[in-house]
Amino acid sequence: GNSVTQMEGPVTLSEEAFLTINCTYTATGYPSLFWYVQYPGEGLQLLLKATKADDKGSNKGFEATYRKETTSFHLEKGSVQVSDSAVYFCALSEGANFGNEKLTFGTGTRLTIIP
Amino acid sequence: GAVVSQHPSWVICKSGTSVKIECRSLDFQATTMFWYRQFPKQSLMLMATSNEGSKATYEQGVEKDKFLINHASLTLSTLTVTSAHPEDSSFYICSAIDSNINEKLFFGSGTQLSVL
Repeated sequence: GNSVTQMEGPVTLSEEAFLTINCTYTATGYPSLFWYVQYPGEGLQLLLKATKADDKGSNKGFEATYRKETTSFHLEKGSVQVSDSAVYFCALSEGANFGNEKLTFGTGTRLTIIP
Repeated sequence: GAVVSQHPSWVICKSGTSVKIECRSLDFQATTMFWYRQFPKQSLMLMATSNEGSKATYEQGVEKDKFLINHASLTLSTLTVTSAHPEDSSFYICSAIDSNINEKLFFGSGTQLSVL
């Protein structure tokens, strides 16, 4: 079956530090990959996505590249801000319908940025 | 943007009682909603798919008689944990599909259930 393995948290960084949250996956087909973010008190929000190999998703300064050869979709940001403090979830779905199908999630990584 | 409201955000109950969690799409109609559960340090796991006007589809290993799902309207789905036990203590999240816009899938903020 499908699975997503995500870097365990919590992660604490200073403002303007470089961020990487690792995510690897196993899937039987050619999944679409997603990063969701959950800010305190809010629902999960789609941060970025990639639907095929070598695609790069990007949003709000975050980037992730779909690497089929390493089955990875690591999340990166060059300079984090306090407002990036949240829980980040890596996820996959078998279809390309932007998350309408069943999603398989990782455990989530809590990120805290200190001023 | 589209909003999904989930209520309550946290609940504490005694063992053996039932707890109802509501998931509402506030500004769109949702024919399909999903219910997830997350135990500490584990992945967010899909429990069931809720379709308006029909029976929910449960994932393998999820007891349908224990986790009752009702999706009686296009804006509301409810999850009732019946005869709750401490092992049901978990974080429950719903999501809803808005077929009218591109992003389509929106999540509630989750409910932390603690069963004593």
